[in-house]
Amino acid sequence: DIVMTQSPDSLAVSLGERATINCKSSRSVLYSSNEKNYLAWYQQKPGQPPKLLIDWSSTRESGVPDRFTGSGSGTDFTLTISTLQAEDVAVYFCQQYYSTPPTFGQGTKLEIK
Amino acid sequence: QVQLQESGPGLVKPSETLSLTCSVSGGSISNYYWSWIRQPPGKGLEWIGYVHYNGNTNYNPSLKSRVTISLDTSKNQFSLKLSSVTAADTAMYYCARSQVVPAGIPYFDYWGQGTLVTVSS
Repeated sequence: DIVMTQSPDSLAVSLGERATINCKSSRSVLYSSNEKNYLAWYQQKPGQPPKLLIDWSSTRESGVPDRFTGSGSGTDFTLTISTLQAEDVAVYFCQQYYSTPPTFGQGTKLEIK
Repeated sequence: QVQLQESGPGLVKPSETLSLTCSVSGGSISNYYWSWIRQPPGKGLEWIGYVHYNGNTNYNPSLKSRVTISLDTSKNQFSLKLSSVTAADTAMYYCARSQVVPAGIPYFDYWGQGTLVTVSS
């Protein structure tokens, strides 16, 4: 199985500041034939199910604010929240869908400083 | 807007079979893949498996020997059965609509609220 490792496990950022969450896969999730990274990001707010934010490593889902940006390629990926809002407090997960079974990172808990 | 809702017993005895149903509204169950995912308390997410509207299934190898996922198109529902449960199967269980890449591997664009299943005597 591909192991997804996120860092840090938790993060406290001031309102209006930038938050950066990293995700590293144990093998490349870049499919060479189409140059796509098979990587998604989810947001899970307290008491709610995960919500898909980004797929294909950098494609925002409809309705996701543009302060959320996914980047990276191969084995190293980043989710950046450019200006943190109070409603962004959540646990964030990455997930690979390159190789079966699909696997998730352990999650990064984002809080307000 | 597609909505999913899990239902089933919240308490299952060890060695018995866990059975859950996911009801889909706001859209047809046809032409999509439908997954079950679980999250033990305080832990990460684990994909259990999916069923396609044509009845094809794909399961996580770690659970494959104990899992059955099936579809009822007439009721717009799909179901999970997990046999021989132990305390390690205690988790929040989510159903989700899946986008599946050509290699047959999913990611998940709509999720139910989840249902907590506890395995205990």
